[in-house]
Amino acid sequence: QSALTQPASVSGSLGQSITISCIGTVNNIGSYSLVSWYQQHPGKAPKLMISEVSKRPSGISSRFSGTKSGNTATLTITGLQADDEANYYCCSYAGSPSFHMLFGGGTKLTVL
Amino acid sequence: QMQMQESGPGLVTPSETLFLTCIVSGVSINTNTHYWVWIRQPPGRGLEWIGNTYYSGSTYYNSSLKSRVTISADTSKRQFSLKLDSVTAADTAVYYCARQDNTGWAFDFWGQGILVTVSS
Repeated sequence: QSALTQPASVSGSLGQSITISCIGTVNNIGSYSLVSWYQQHPGKAPKLMISEVSKRPSGISSRFSGTKSGNTATLTITGLQADDEANYYCCSYAGSPSFHMLFGGGTKLTVL
Repeated sequence: QMQMQESGPGLVTPSETLFLTCIVSGVSINTNTHYWVWIRQPPGRGLEWIGNTYYSGSTYYNSSLKSRVTISADTSKRQFSLKLDSVTAADTAVYYCARQDNTGWAFDFWGQGILVTVSS
């Protein structure tokens, strides 16, 4: 199965808001509310930021939010901070029988 | 406090078998609330789900790797393992073990990762 489609890069100024899209198909994002988002700083393991489209794990700032419409999921970050600069990956369940999980190609966020 | 730690060789010869172990501390892996997962990331590239195992012994694999992958668990030792046969340079990557919840299917805890290079 093909990876989910994300923009290669996005940028925003300190304090501003950005969105990152994650485009899938009816076979994954379009059929399941099982989209998660991960933040990865260079040389570090990914960190869960959003699960089940819009749920924030304990300890994750409310500046991070997620939505889904049709085959597209979106991560929004408001009030950009310097430490938000990282790579962001979306992931979706892709259905039985293999219980496959698909990742997006990743988006590099630059905070100006 | 939960920890996950990958271990194994950092260099594997082409055509040989890659074998990694993830040691979990602080929680039991004999649980029906989570899957135990392997994910990899080639240098400078994105993440790829390899597969997972459940306390029942069920396993699920990425279809692109299925013919070469085996994931198994030893719940008494709180560890699970990845075996990847017939490796090539394309299998060079940082390999992460992680925990996946069985409701939202998110990877909520990760090991630090281990770089495995396939080279002669």
